Amino acid sequence: QSALTQPASVSGSPGQSITISCTGTSSDVGSYNLVSWYQQHPGKAPKLMIYEVSKRPSGVSNRFSGSKSGNTASLTISGLQAEDEADYYCCSYAGSNYVFGTGTKVTVL
Amino acid sequence: QITLKESGPTLVKPTQTLTLTCTFSGFSLSTSGVGVGWIRQPPGKALEWLALIYWNDDKRYSPSLKSRLTITKDTSKNQVVLTMTNMDPVDTATYYCAHSSYYDRPNAFDIWGQGTMVTVSS
Repeated sequence: QSALTQPASVSGSPGQSITISCTGTSSDVGSYNLVSWYQQHPGKAPKLMIYEVSKRPSGVSNRFSGSKSGNTASLTISGLQAEDEADYYCCSYAGSNYVFGTGTKVTVL
Repeated sequence: QITLKESGPTLVKPTQTLTLTCTFSGFSLSTSGVGVGWIRQPPGKALEWLALIYWNDDKRYSPSLKSRLTITKDTSKNQVVLTMTNMDPVDTATYYCAHSSYYDRPNAFDIWGQGTMVTVSS
């Protein structure tokens, strides 16, 4: 099972919106609405930001939103803030196992 | 409040077997829908899912590592144990355990431990 493909880096200025893509296959992202997204600051454990493609756990800012089309899922961060600078990983259920993305470093300019 | 904490050796030699323990509180692994997974992250690299055990003892493994992994649970001790055989320097990573609840946030890892760094070196 290959890792889901994410852009290595995405950047934006404070207040802007950015979108991170996560491309899989018809065996994972394309088959299940079970994509989750994780934020990871340096030296910290990952934090769940989105589950089931577009649902936010309580306590997660509504500036974070998720969507999916075909084999590609996306995470959008609107109103970019300095604290959003981190690594982001997608993860998809793949039938009997899970696969994570390659990770995207978000830089706030 | 759900918490998880990983424990185990910080250094193992090549070919040895790694045993990691995840000790948790705030939930029970006998509750329907609950699972505990293991995920690792080599230094500077991406997350990699390893294994997951459910409340009903259903076990899932990464296809690429299945032959080397065993996951078990001790419900009375609130612990999940992961063993990985034939360790290699490429297995050097931070190993995380994480909580999953099918009925709350299906197929997502909503609470993570702090992670434990394991180095494989002779």
